[in-house]
Amino acid sequence: AQTVTQSQPEMSVQEAETVTLSCTYDTSESDYYLFWYKQPPSRQMILVIRQEAYKQQNATENRFSVNFQKAAKSFSLKISDSQLGDAAMYFCAYRGTSGSRLTFGEGTQLTVNP
Amino acid sequence: GAVVSQHPSWVICKSGTSVKIECRSLDFQATTMFWYRQFPKQSLMLMATSNEGSKATYEQGVEKDKFLINHASLTLSTLTVTSAHPEDSSFYICSARPPGGSKDTEAFFGQGTRLTVV
Repeated sequence: AQTVTQSQPEMSVQEAETVTLSCTYDTSESDYYLFWYKQPPSRQMILVIRQEAYKQQNATENRFSVNFQKAAKSFSLKISDSQLGDAAMYFCAYRGTSGSRLTFGEGTQLTVNP
Repeated sequence: GAVVSQHPSWVICKSGTSVKIECRSLDFQATTMFWYRQFPKQSLMLMATSNEGSKATYEQGVEKDKFLINHASLTLSTLTVTSAHPEDSSFYICSARPPGGSKDTEAFFGQGTRLTVV
């Protein structure tokens, strides 16, 4: 079974600085999809960024980028120029190629300090 | 992006009563929807997979007679918490993924329902 691990329950960053959230996963599949979701205080789940395993190039979405290391089964999220609105719980998630089931990590609570 | 709407956003019920939560895909047809439960400061735990026109698939440890799931149409799945007790108080979230899109199409989530059983 696939597992997703986020080893940082809490992280904090100063506004305008950069922070990296860690995620590792375990799978026996060769192709799969990885996602970072953000859950602000409203608790609405919002997609931040996605990565397909067979694509070697790291995904980037504006201030958000990932460092995808397939051999190490690592999928970290870097937030540049952090903003107060980035404060939220961040979840790393895995989806295999069959079906739509997501497996979530434990989450990292990000605080952005002004 | 696609829209998934969940209703109600919050509900308070008395112990022993039943509560129904609706999850609708507003602009796509969803043959499969997912129901999650989330405790404060914890991750989303999959409870069951709702399949249109057939029985739901429950995760290990989830009581199917307590959490009744009905997926009678391609745009609506319901979760009924039967004979609710205080320990059922939690945040329930549904999600669905539009079919036919690219393989990396993400899942979309409802707004969640905060259930409090008193």
